[in-house]
Amino acid sequence: EIVMTQSPATLSVSPGERATLSCRASQSVSSNLAWYQQKPGQAPRLLIYGASTRATGIPARFSGSGSGTEFTLTISSLQSEDFAVYYCQQYNNWWTFGQGTKVEIK
Amino acid sequence: QVQLVQSGAEVKKPGASVKVSCKASGYTFTSYYMHWVRQAPGQGLEWMGIINPSGGSTSYAQKFQGRVTMTRDTSTSTVYMELSSLRSEDTAVYYCARALRQAFDIWGQGTMVTVSS
Repeated sequence: EIVMTQSPATLSVSPGERATLSCRASQSVSSNLAWYQQKPGQAPRLLIYGASTRATGIPARFSGSGSGTEFTLTISSLQSEDFAVYYCQQYNNWWTFGQGTKVEIK
Repeated sequence: QVQLVQSGAEVKKPGASVKVSCKASGYTFTSYYMHWVRQAPGQGLEWMGIINPSGGSTSYAQKFQGRVTMTRDTSTSTVYMELSSLRSEDTAVYYCARALRQAFDIWGQGTMVTVSS
């Protein structure tokens, strides 16, 4: 099983600042990597797939990069609605999720 | 609009089974694979398995092999996930999610399953 490790577990950021979230795979997943946002009491929402392609309706302040084993989700200027938990997911070999990064208000 | 609507919350006793439904609308049901994912309280997301609504073929995560069964009814555009031999650790929100290029682009609202004696 491919293990996905996200860091940090919690990220404290002020509104308007940049947030950088990391995700590492235990073996190469090529570009078969997605990012999801989840708010309390809601289902996850797809943000990025193919490591860097924004899903339909996702604002341009969200961007993804990386390939192989190292990936990054960047939120260029945090808005109030962006405070949530973010999960990475690989789909190169079955499907596994990272444990999540909580982005909280500083 | 494209949506997945799941059945309501369930409370089950240890050893029982639960069957959760997920009704699709707004798109061609047989054109997209469907996954099931669960989330224990305060925990992360865990992939359970996948079903092809067209032919009905399935693949399950090894952890759930022998305990989970995923089926579909094309006449009602509904997929089902049945989990048997329930234990307290199965208490979680269960989600269905549509696959788009292998990522999950549309999610159901979730179904809370509580296992308690």
